[in-house]
Amino acid sequence: GENVGLHLPTLSVQEGDNSIINCAYSNSASDYFIWYKQESGKGPQFIIDIRSNMDKRQGQRVTVLLNKTVKHLSLQIAATQPGDSAVYFCAETSRYTGFQKLVFGTGTRLLVSP
Amino acid sequence: NAGVMQNPRHLVRRRGQEARLRCSPMKGHSHVYWYRQLPEEGLKFMVYLQKENIIDESGMPKERFSAEFPKEGPSILRIQQVVRGDSAAYFCASSPPTDSNQPQHFGDGTRLSIL
Repeated sequence: GENVGLHLPTLSVQEGDNSIINCAYSNSASDYFIWYKQESGKGPQFIIDIRSNMDKRQGQRVTVLLNKTVKHLSLQIAATQPGDSAVYFCAETSRYTGFQKLVFGTGTRLLVSP
Repeated sequence: NAGVMQNPRHLVRRRGQEARLRCSPMKGHSHVYWYRQLPEEGLKFMVYLQKENIIDESGMPKERFSAEFPKEGPSILRIQQVVRGDSAAYFCASSPPTDSNQPQHFGDGTRLSIL
């Protein structure tokens, strides 16, 4: 469903820590999920994706976990760096919309302190 | 730069004027999407186009808003008779011509301000 919020949830971490950003999705028919990073004044930047036939996928310093039972998605960032500071959005879509219509979550602001 | 290109980056209009936002997709991409973002919120889908065709416009307001993706040239999002509530960031994304799941790649948006 639609997510509207006056203030973004914020996660504050120290440089070098691991970060975990969570996302709950509502559409049980969704079967493709993407994490995007958005820096101030810029567009969303693709980080990693996962299909519903998987429960874990790893990239460089990032891991996405998918729990379809509870409709939950998480993004883990290892050894977080100041350059990781941004707003992170999960997005979902499904084969029923031809994977074309992304539905974005509210977003989480990640603040990394040196 | 082979990414999605949007222009202008910033656009100021007075109430009642028209706003035209342009988007050139990544090379090789024939699917274009427009999204709108209000401050502190996620992006909201507006419209999905392929060359010369509107595929899904379920997120477009019924009045004043239109989009096109001509055979030649960029995709255009047009807002007629703008009102203050149209102030937002408008993002364009593109993806390759495939039915399988492929991530959409975004431009850096046009920030529309209505005076």
